[in-house]
Amino acid sequence: DAGVIQSPRHEVTEMGQEVTLRCKPISGHDYLFWYRQTMMRGLELLIYFNNNVPIDDSGMPEDRFSAKMPNASFSTLKIQPSEPRDSAVYFCASREQGSDNEQFFGPGTRLTVL
Amino acid sequence: KNQVEQSPQSLIILEGKNCTLQCNYTVSPFSNLRWYKQDTGRGPVSLTIMTFSENTKSNGRYTATLDADTKQSSLHITASQLSDSASYICVVSHYGQNFVFGPGTRLSVLP
Repeated sequence: DAGVIQSPRHEVTEMGQEVTLRCKPISGHDYLFWYRQTMMRGLELLIYFNNNVPIDDSGMPEDRFSAKMPNASFSTLKIQPSEPRDSAVYFCASREQGSDNEQFFGPGTRLTVL
Repeated sequence: KNQVEQSPQSLIILEGKNCTLQCNYTVSPFSNLRWYKQDTGRGPVSLTIMTFSENTKSNGRYTATLDADTKQSSLHITASQLSDSASYICVVSHYGQNFVFGPGTRLSVLP
């Protein structure tokens, strides 16, 4: 398996524009997580899905952020409109069922909002 | 408040030396604790996982300890290599999918 795949790897956009980040989890994994990482705040869990259903979105910073998982092999994180403070690295991770199972992280998308 | 603290914030050591990274947590209830290694520009990779009843777990040159009474964990790296240069993140899980991340320790191993 190629691991968790994220695209794009880098995104530079202007304030106010819509940004869509994409993730393909590892096949067979039941859970998918979206994280944001900044120097100031470290890694933060934004939202996670179980069997394509959003379970906890309490980490989503505000209504400008939305996430979907239309099927078991694809998820998106959308920011509309984007703001400079959204600049960060966004990671997607997936794992199998079972509370101790390891999360496998993707390579991340580095987002810069000018 | 559920928190994870790590020390030191950064560390520089010479190749071949040992080092120990610390993690203190106030997360309750406790499910498990993981140490992740994150290379620059990449996603974190799990090194070890420890549950409440485990005191020590090794993964090659990495040895993690857990003291559930004092809510402290450490990650010991033996005979460091240049490839150990990375950030090491302590993550404590509670209530299943709820995770509390530490800020990480940035380790630099110099030749």
